[in-house]
Formats: sequence, C-alpha cells, structure tokens
Amino acid sequence: AQSVAQPEDQVNVAEGNPLTVKCTYSVSGNPYLFWYVQYPNRGLQFLLKYITGDNLVKGSYGFEAEFNKSQTSFHLKKPSALVSDSALYFCAVRDRRGYQKVTFGIGTKLQVIP
Amino acid sequence: EAGVTQFPSHSVIEKGQTVTLRCDPISGHDNLYWYRRVMGKEIKFLLHFVKESKQDESGMPNNRFLAERTGGTYSTLKVQPAELEDSGVYFCASSQDVGHTIYFGEGSWLTVV
Repeated sequence: AQSVAQPEDQVNVAEGNPLTVKCTYSVSGNPYLFWYVQYPNRGLQFLLKYITGDNLVKGSYGFEAEFNKSQTSFHLKKPSALVSDSALYFCAVRDRRGYQKVTFGIGTKLQVIP
Repeated sequence: EAGVTQFPSHSVIEKGQTVTLRCDPISGHDNLYWYRRVMGKEIKFLLHFVKESKQDESGMPNNRFLAERTGGTYSTLKVQPAELEDSGVYFCASSQDVGHTIYFGEGSWLTVV
C-alpha cells in the first residue's frame, strides 16, 4: 500500500521569508510524486511533479521540491513567500509499478503573514 | 483548451434525496477519476475510468454511489439516497495517460442536510 504523510497541519511564515512544506511518502516501488495547491473554494491546481532525473524539481509560481529517496521525502519549498501563496497544499504519490491510484496527503495549510 | 469542468458547483439536498454530479474531462483524456474530500480530511480516491470502463472502483464507499461514463466522454456520479456523511467536495480529474499529470476540476460541493 502507498501512503503520504504531511506532518504539519499548518505552516506560518512571514512574507519574504523562505517556506518549506513537508511531505514524506511510502510506496513499494519507485514513486511518482506531485504537489497540488487549493485556494479557498477552488479546485486543485497542479504545481509540480517528480518523475525521474534531477532530484530538484521546479514548478509553477516559483515553487520547487526536492526528491530525497533515502529519506522518502518530497518537501515543497519557495525562496521568498508571498501573501498570495496562502492556501492548502497537498502532496501526492503514485507507485510506478503497474496501475496504482494517486494517493494524497491530508494537506497543509500555509499562512503567509504580511 | 478547456479544463476539467464539473456541474453543479454547489448543491444542498435533504437526506434521502438523489444528486447527480457531472464531469467533463479535458478533451482527449481517456483517464477520468473521481475523488472526494470531507472537511478536514484527506482527498480520497473513489474510482478511475479508462474510456468507458471502470479500471478501479475500490474507493466507492457503498452501493449508494453509482458512477458512469457513457461513450467514454463525460462522467456522472449519482448518490442515491444521500446521507449526511456524504457531504463534502467531489473532485473530478482527468489525465492523458496513467502516470501523467492529473488535472482537477473546481469540484462539486455537496451539502446533505
């Protein structure tokens, strides 16, 4: 079985400071990893994904994530937070082997303080 | 190119009534998914269509839920009869291929009272 853990319910960061939203995963094989963002009363927007290759993945709105196989982590990062980044962030994983559904974490609320 | 569209965006129904949610995937996407998020919980997988066939329906909570994808185009998710615990946001998503990025719709927000 595959699973995702987002250990922080909420992350608070001051505008202009770097932000990190944590994610660890568990799969039997090798993973596809994704980050999505949900703004209030909106759907999920794709941010970035790790498929293969460079462990540092760059995505939309200046976000990036680092795949760490030994720590089974895929933390989302941004060098300088904006107030408009405040939203709910979901990490997701899918095992590459055969057919597996995409499994999501519980979400982390990011609050950027002006 | 149009994204994944869902209808209705919001619905309030009484316990025991029926609601049908509709999803139009991105054109050309054979894979269509339904997910649900109950307030404060994780986004849970319901089922996956490949064209008109159900690839995986392991997440469907019970037989009050029926999903169809006639002709491999749009999909409907019917809840009959609705219960209070069915309240939540129902997301539809589509992808070009399994393993490709899954693109989500805005969600159908269901409240059962």
